[in-house]
This record gives sequence, C-alpha cells and structure tokens, in this order.
Amino acid sequence: GQQLNQSPQSMFIQEGEDVSMNCTSSSIFNTWLWYKQDPGEGPVLLIALYKAGELTSNGRLTAQFGITRKDSFLNISASIPSDVGIYFCAGQGTSYGKLTFGQGTILTVHP
Amino acid sequence: SAVISQKPSRDICQRGTSLTIQCQVDSQVTMMFWYRQQPGQSLTLIATANQGSEATYESGFVIDKFPISRPNLTFSTLTVSNMSPEDSSIYLCSVESGSFGEKLFFGSGTQLSVL
Repeated sequence: GQQLNQSPQSMFIQEGEDVSMNCTSSSIFNTWLWYKQDPGEGPVLLIALYKAGELTSNGRLTAQFGITRKDSFLNISASIPSDVGIYFCAGQGTSYGKLTFGQGTILTVHP
Repeated sequence: SAVISQKPSRDICQRGTSLTIQCQVDSQVTMMFWYRQQPGQSLTLIATANQGSEATYESGFVIDKFPISRPNLTFSTLTVSNMSPEDSSIYLCSVESGSFGEKLFFGSGTQLSVL
C-alpha cells in the first residue's frame, strides 16, 4: 500500500525561528494536505494542495506540492508558542476520503 | 467547513464490553469516515459510511468488531465491540469537503482507554 515518510519526527526550536518539515511517498498523490493536531483534539486542516508545483500560503505557513507528485513540504515562519502541536501530512489518491497520513512531526517551541 | 460533534469525548471501559461513539454533522454529507489513531501513531482509516448502504471497511478492520450505522445524512455511529486493551485509541469521525471531496474535516475525537 501507499506509505508516507514524514520528517523530522520531532523538532525543538526557539520562538521566532523558521521551521521546515516534509513528506515523501513511493506513490503519486492527487492532493496533498497538511494538518495540525493539538492534544485532545482532532486534526485541523491547514493547507490543501491540488496540483504539482503548487505553492500555497496560509498566514505564516507555506506548503508546496512537489513536481513529481510524490512529495510535499510545509514551512512555518517566525514560530510562536501556539505553533506547538503535531503536524501531519496526508495524501489522497483516487479514493475520496481515504487519506494516507504521515507519521507526524512533533513541534515544540521554546519561548 | 462542517461542524462535527463527537461523543463521548473520552471513556474508560472494561475489557469485553462495547462502546458506541456518535458523530453528528451540522450539514448533510454523502460520506462519513471513521479513523483510528493509536497512541503516538498516525491516523488510519477504519471504514467509509454511506447512508442507506453497508459501510466499506479497510483491510484489517471487520464489521463484527467495528459495526457502523448511518441512518441519515448527518449522523453516524461506530461501535467498538468486545474491547481489549489493544483497542485503546482515539477514534475520529470525519467528513469530506471541497469541489472533489478532497479535503477531510475531523471531529475532536473520542479518547478510549480499555482496562
């Protein structure tokens, strides 16, 4: 089956620093999604990417859909304490609603 | 995005018992999805629930263990049957959105602990 490799597994940064995380796949995806999960909550959609090469921003977040359709990255600029959480990439192939999730990146931001 | 309400938000259950999780959406949706997130792990799709038909289960999940109901376009339930400690997970309801149903929105989840 499809697998997503997300890295890094965890990050410890200082407030104000920029953050970058990425996902790679052995298979092609039609859509890439990035989610953030806070403790005790469900994942919240941050950014959705629909075509190869697409670069999309949402405030301090920027994500790109790789040209090969097998990878994506998420950047967070000027991190703040509320950025703390687990970030998941997810890819969707041809089956609606069936997302393949990465293993998650645990982000810790020190004030 | 749809507002998705799940209950209970958490429960502690005894081995061998069953728990039914409810998911209510504030708008009509064609498909609802149930995911499982084991401790410290990522999310895995359990099944897809369409109104008026049996749920479609992913490999490794069976109806006897995770029966699902979908009585209307705004509601679904997932039952975790004959629970064991290995069933301790977060169970998440989700619905699709977007032009092609490519985006999923999640409820806040049900944190289940089985003793």
